[in-house]
Amino acid sequence: DADVTQTPRNRITKTGKRIMLECSQTKGHDRMYWYRQDPGLGLRLIYYSFDVKDINKGEISDGYSVSRQAQAKFSLSLESAIPNQTALYFCATSPGTGNNSPLHFGNGTRLTVT
Amino acid sequence: AQSVSQHNHHVILSEAASLELGCNYSYGGTVNLFWYVQYPGQHLQLLLKYFSGDPLVKGIKGFEAEFIKSKFSFNLRKPSVQWSDTAEYFCAVSNYGGATNKLIFGTGTLLAVQP
Repeated sequence: DADVTQTPRNRITKTGKRIMLECSQTKGHDRMYWYRQDPGLGLRLIYYSFDVKDINKGEISDGYSVSRQAQAKFSLSLESAIPNQTALYFCATSPGTGNNSPLHFGNGTRLTVT
Repeated sequence: AQSVSQHNHHVILSEAASLELGCNYSYGGTVNLFWYVQYPGQHLQLLLKYFSGDPLVKGIKGFEAEFIKSKFSFNLRKPSVQWSDTAEYFCAVSNYGGATNKLIFGTGTLLAVQP
C-alpha cells in the first residue's frame, strides 16, 4: 500500500463545479503539502500545513482552499473550477523535525476542467 | 525570493553517454538542495540531497551532484546513462533553518535516453 494516497487518480469536471481532491498518509508525518504540476512550469506550492491547526498559503493559492481534517488527511478544494486549473496535483508529506526533510509524494491526481 | 533555474528543458542522449543537468538557485542564505526524479506516469522520488559537508553528493542509481557555493549551482551528473533513466528531473531548494521547509522547484528537465 502506498504511504501517501491520493483520490481520485483522474477527474474530469466542468467549469464552475466544486471539486475536492483527497490525500491521506500512513507515514505519521506532521507536515502535508499540495502542489500542482504544469508542463514547463515544474511544481508550484498551493497550500501547506504543519499540523492540524496550521494552514498556510503557498505561491498559487488563489482559487483553492484546503482542510486538514486530521494529521493523516489533507484535502484540496476548488470552489468553482476553471479550465486553467487543469493540471496534475500532488500531495506530499514530510516529518515535523527540521527543515531539511525530503518530501514524500503521492501518485498524483490528474484534473481536467472543461 | 528564492528561485531555481534549470536551463536544459529537454535532453536527448544515447545509452552510455554521460549526463550533466544544470541547476542554479538564487538565495543568499544557507540552503538545502535536492534532486527529484519522476519516471513516466509515476510520482516524484528523491534522487539525492545536500545539507552540509562534502559538496559532492552521491545518490541512488549512480547519480551524483556537486554543490558549488560560489556559482550557486547544484548540477546533476551520471557517467553513463541507461534507457531506464528516461524521466523528468527536478532540482529543488529550501532555506536552511527558516520558518518553513517548503521546497522551491525548478521547471524540470525531460531526459530521453535512446537505446
